[in-house]
Amino acid sequence: QKEVEQNSGPLSVPEGAIASLNCTYSDRGSQSFFWYRQYSGKSPELIMFIYSNGDKEDGRFTAQLNKASQYVSLLIRDSQPSDSATYLCAVNVPGGGYQKVTFGIGTKLQVIP
Amino acid sequence: DGGITQSPKYLFRKEGQNVTLSCEQNLNHDAMYWYRQDPGQGLRLIYYSQIVNDFQKGDIAEGYSVSREKKESFPLTVTSAQKNPTAFYLCASSIDEASSYEQYFGPGTRLTVT
Repeated sequence: QKEVEQNSGPLSVPEGAIASLNCTYSDRGSQSFFWYRQYSGKSPELIMFIYSNGDKEDGRFTAQLNKASQYVSLLIRDSQPSDSATYLCAVNVPGGGYQKVTFGIGTKLQVIP
Repeated sequence: DGGITQSPKYLFRKEGQNVTLSCEQNLNHDAMYWYRQDPGQGLRLIYYSQIVNDFQKGDIAEGYSVSREKKESFPLTVTSAQKNPTAFYLCASSIDEASSYEQYFGPGTRLTVT
């Protein structure tokens, strides 16, 4: 079982709709969860992080965490064509003096005008 | 401008040659990291460094080497021992290893070995 699992997509949504991106993780000791956005040919950019169960909102983005189900998601409201990118889920597991960050393969999002 | 720079953006080498990728940061971050990204795979950690003159192997260190002689610099050498060196290489940094989750990435170097 992979440590961080994401559906590679592509996930296609019409402009203005809500895009829902999902991620599951295997290590119950995971404490911090991150979403990075990566445009084609570019480097990842951190857009959201969440540490506690529940929802965290930032503008059009909402991160949701359910530690019991080992599930984290990212909702993008009012999706825009500029949101078309690959979204990487990353999970931080503490221990050993170095907090390892493990990345999923990413979900490609296509917002259709 | 504060940030992380990587050079060159594209690099082409013949098989059997060593090549060094540059990574410089002026964010005054203590920790620096090297990842590689391949199609269909997530970022995989090659090496990381928490302080100057110290570095640790990541998950896929074989065929790579690094140095950390200065806080702002963390070059990666891809040696001829690396069996599949063609990839997108990303350098990142964070304030210190305890906050490694907030990693800032450089623009990346795309290495092609033929």
